[in-house]
Amino acid sequence: ELKVEQNPLFLSMQEGKNYTIYCNYSTTSDRLYWYRQDPGKSLESLFVLLSNGAVKQEGRLMASLDTKARLSTLHITAAVHDLSATYFCAVPMDSNYQLIWGAGTKLIIKP
Amino acid sequence: NAGVTQTPKFQVLKTGQSMTLQCAQDMNHEYMSWYRQDPGMGLRLIHYSVGAGITDQGEVPNGYNVSRSTTEDFPLRLLSAAPSQTSVYFCASSYSKGASTDTQYFGPGTRLTVL
Repeated sequence: ELKVEQNPLFLSMQEGKNYTIYCNYSTTSDRLYWYRQDPGKSLESLFVLLSNGAVKQEGRLMASLDTKARLSTLHITAAVHDLSATYFCAVPMDSNYQLIWGAGTKLIIKP
Repeated sequence: NAGVTQTPKFQVLKTGQSMTLQCAQDMNHEYMSWYRQDPGMGLRLIHYSVGAGITDQGEVPNGYNVSRSTTEDFPLRLLSAAPSQTSVYFCASSYSKGASTDTQYFGPGTRLTVL
């Protein structure tokens, strides 16, 4: 059974600081997705990581994938308040494209 | 281009009532899915469809039915609502099943309370 674990589940940090969110998964996968959800809103796609060693960056967010370690990281550089949200990672299960989701990391960035 | 739309946005039901959550997309996407989101549990897949006339079960299908008569629409039916079905429901679509670059587009969600 594929399990996806994120940590931490809750993170409160100061503006300007750096931090990393981790996403571990239990079976082989060569793809991983990161999504963002603002409070009371829907989910929007941040990154699609397609292969071992993939790295993608957008603004202050950078995501990477290590398929051998079954680990993805989402790194936040010099955090700003606008990045406050819940971040989810998701991994496809086999070839039927069912996504298994992590529980989410709620990120609060204080001025 | 409206993307993925869902109705209603909010709904309160009594135990035993039935209802249909509507989902439509105007992007000609083959793949559509329904998730429920509960606090601290991420999203769980209820049912999905890879094209008109084709549906399959996800992780948590019990108590729900779906159909896909057109590419655009993918309604979710609650047969006999139970308090355990209180949740936020999201519909999502993507261009095709299994394409490695696919990302899912989500609707705005339906917040359902079952009393």
